[in-house]
Amino acid sequence: GAGVSQSPSNKVTEKGKDVELRCDPISGHTALYWYRQRLGQGLEFLIYFQGNSAPDKSGLPSDRFSAERTGESVSTLTIQRTQQEDSAVYLCASSLNPGLLNTGELFFGEGSRLTVL
Amino acid sequence: AQKVTQAQTEISVVEKEDVTLDCVYETRDTTYYLFWYKQPPSGELVFLIRRNSFDEQNEISGRYSWNFQKSTSSFNFTITASQVVDSAVYFCALSEARNSGYSTLTFGKGTMLLVSP
Repeated sequence: GAGVSQSPSNKVTEKGKDVELRCDPISGHTALYWYRQRLGQGLEFLIYFQGNSAPDKSGLPSDRFSAERTGESVSTLTIQRTQQEDSAVYLCASSLNPGLLNTGELFFGEGSRLTVL
Repeated sequence: AQKVTQAQTEISVVEKEDVTLDCVYETRDTTYYLFWYKQPPSGELVFLIRRNSFDEQNEISGRYSWNFQKSTSSFNFTITASQVVDSAVYFCALSEARNSGYSTLTFGKGTMLLVSP
């Protein structure tokens, strides 16, 4: 597609339920990033993919969070046993080159707003 | 640790006023990049500019200009003759080299700019 697409755009769930958030990056972009944006806060790095591999998962806040990427394309961020503090906007971004020192910018989707009741 | 500080949480101006958004950063990297992104109400972050640490020339793009001062670790953003469409949250970001050999971005908390007619 023309841009990064994320779904769902809004998700309301009950505490304890699992949720899956999907990201379709720009075609051909090898690098894919997940960020979390809590209300009134900056963006918090979660995980990065180079192709289908995740070289660094240290940004994931707990073991309830996991992510995968297949076909060097779609990525899914899964949050198990959701807690109220997981409420945030989850943003996905992609770029042509994983080394930000060599490329222009990240292209962001519009985010998935997660509300945990 | 990397850090980006945007001290202004919210700025309100009247159309046609000039406005400057402040950004101060901390890094131990000798080579790094600084970015500004705009986040309109739709939620999608839009890339505005990237500046590398070796280029301290100020840059102007239309009504936008950026002042990079390495001596004070600042990368300020000025909008001249502001317009209502400039209303958004603006994020300053700093590239961060990770151990796995790639880079990601450390974001400030953002400055909300409200331009009234």
